[in-house]
Amino acid sequence: GQNIDQPTEMTATEGAIVQINCTYQTSGFNGLFWYQQHAGEAPTFLSYNVLDGLEEKGRFSSFLSRSKGYSYLLLKELQMKDSASYLCAAVDSNYQLIWGAGTKLIIKP
Amino acid sequence: ETGVTQTPRHLVMGMTNKKSLKCEQHLGHNAMYWYKQGAKKPLELMFVYNFKEQTENNSVPSRFSPECPNSSHLFLHLHTLQPEDSALYLCASSQDPGGPSYEQYFGPGTRLTVT
Repeated sequence: GQNIDQPTEMTATEGAIVQINCTYQTSGFNGLFWYQQHAGEAPTFLSYNVLDGLEEKGRFSSFLSRSKGYSYLLLKELQMKDSASYLCAAVDSNYQLIWGAGTKLIIKP
Repeated sequence: ETGVTQTPRHLVMGMTNKKSLKCEQHLGHNAMYWYKQGAKKPLELMFVYNFKEQTENNSVPSRFSPECPNSSHLFLHLHTLQPEDSALYLCASSQDPGGPSYEQYFGPGTRLTVT
């Protein structure tokens, strides 16, 4: 079966760094998305990785290891507005997105 | 403003009611999607439309009926729902469903409660 695993909830301190992990098992693989979803709002696109390595975009970076079926989202210089759920989604061989349940990130002052 | 709008934002309905959810995208995209998001659960893909044609139907019960009159509008008709259907229903669009690099743009969702 196809499966995405990510932690249910994480807590971090304002100004710190946090890493949200995601492991995936899919039939075929055509890349991995990270989305941010604030409570009661629509998910919004953060990143897409298809090649191994780290991609940096401002305070957010996303890493992919295809051989390990593993990705992480790294958030630096955390701000209170970063409190949200972070959704990991892998693209399978049929180009369908397989979604994780999301990681709720709580930022404390 | 994400370019994808959904109405209503909140809906409470009885199990015998019939209602419809509406989605409109202003992005010129070719593909539209309906998702169900239960509490603390992964997004579940329900339906995919590509150029107004339904291309995916992930074993969704017949009490959910989609309609796509054109590439900008998508409806989800609801009838005789069950309490377990209570969830956030999200609409999304993308340039092309077959392209893995084309991210999906989501609407704000309809919070549905079935009593």
